[in-house]
Amino acid sequence: AQSVTQLGSHVSVSEGALVLLRCNYSSSVPPYLFWYVQYPNQGLQLLLKYTSAATLVKGINGFEAEFKKSETSFHLTKPSAHMSDAAEYFCAVSRFNDMRFGAGTRLTVKP
Amino acid sequence: DGGITQSPKYLFRKEGQNVTLSCEQNLNHDAMYWYRQDPGQGLRLIYYSQIVNDFQKGDIAEGYSVSREKKESFPLTVTSAQKNPTAFYLCASSIFRGQDGNQPQHFGDGTRLSIL
Repeated sequence: AQSVTQLGSHVSVSEGALVLLRCNYSSSVPPYLFWYVQYPNQGLQLLLKYTSAATLVKGINGFEAEFKKSETSFHLTKPSAHMSDAAEYFCAVSRFNDMRFGAGTRLTVKP
Repeated sequence: DGGITQSPKYLFRKEGQNVTLSCEQNLNHDAMYWYRQDPGQGLRLIYYSQIVNDFQKGDIAEGYSVSREKKESFPLTVTSAQKNPTAFYLCASSIFRGQDGNQPQHFGDGTRLSIL
């Protein structure tokens, strides 16, 4: 079975600071990995996905994530946080059409 | 624009009552999903369907039922057997290509169900 663990249910950064949201996966086969963002009372929007091509994946809104097989990680980063980045972020792993989501990390951006 | 429409946005249920949540997509996706979201628990899969007239139970199907009579529609019924139905319900869809699981899911804006 596959699963993801998101380290830290809440992350707070100052505007302009680096954003780092952590995700570790467990999978017996090479996984497909995704990051989604959710704003209050809305559905999830796809930020980026890893599907075994380049290990550094660039997404929307300036986010990127790096797949590290040796660390079984897929951490999400953004060099400079903006107030509009405040939201909940979900990491997900998928294989054989079975997508599993992490518990989510709520990002707060302080002015 | 293509997308997924969930209705209503807010829904209230009385004790012993069944309620149905609507999900319609115009993305021409084969697969559709229903998730339940509770604070701090991420998304949990209730039911999914990969093709019309076929659907499978997810991890928390008890107390829920679905139908898939049309490709575009995947309604979810929360029955009176579901003892703790208060949650945010999300519908999603994706392209289905056999066992290749690299297709992202596209989500609707959710329905928030509360008990009166």
